[in-house]
Amino acid sequence: AQTVTQSQPEMSVQEAETVTLSCTYDTSESDYYLFWYKQPPSRQMILVIRQEAYKQQNATENRFSVNFQKAAKSFSLKISDSQLGDAAMYFCAYRSPTGANSKLTFGKGITLSVRP
Amino acid sequence: NAGVMQNPRHLVRRRGQEARLRCSPMKGHSHVYWYRQLPEEGLKFMVYLQKENIIDESGMPKERFSAEFPKEGPSILRIQQVVRGDSAAYFCASSLVYTGGDEQYFGPGTRLTVT
Repeated sequence: AQTVTQSQPEMSVQEAETVTLSCTYDTSESDYYLFWYKQPPSRQMILVIRQEAYKQQNATENRFSVNFQKAAKSFSLKISDSQLGDAAMYFCAYRSPTGANSKLTFGKGITLSVRP
Repeated sequence: NAGVMQNPRHLVRRRGQEARLRCSPMKGHSHVYWYRQLPEEGLKFMVYLQKENIIDESGMPKERFSAEFPKEGPSILRIQQVVRGDSAAYFCASSLVYTGGDEQYFGPGTRLTVT
């Protein structure tokens, strides 16, 4: 079974600065997908960024980028130019490519606070 | 295009009562997933359904919990004889197809409180 670990429960960043959130995972599969979700106080789950394991290039979405290290099974999220609206819980998630195992497996999450 | 709808948003039940949580997937989506989030925890998978079929219920407690996704109407997560430990946020997600890269769109969740 796959596991996702987020070892940092909380992080804080100054507005306009850069912060990196860590995530590691364990799997025996060679092909899979990784995601970062944001959960603001409204509790709505919002997809931030997605990475396909077969792609060597790290995914980017505006101020959000990932550092995907497949051999190390590491998948960190970098937020550049942090904004007050980035304050939320962030969850790393794993998903198998197809079939009945298409559920998302989440880490415990990290609470990010942004200091004005 | 309306997103995933869940109702009620908040549900209070006394111990021993039944809770019914409803999820209407996005238009055209035939794959539904239910997740549970305990306080200060990440989301945990419960069950994956397609229309009229349960595909994966490996995360569902063996007793008191059941789920369905009928041909017509919303998906229902039913919890019988609720206990305090069932208090949590329950999220539904839907997707167009079941491949790993396809995004699961989440509803706003139902917060169940058992008193």
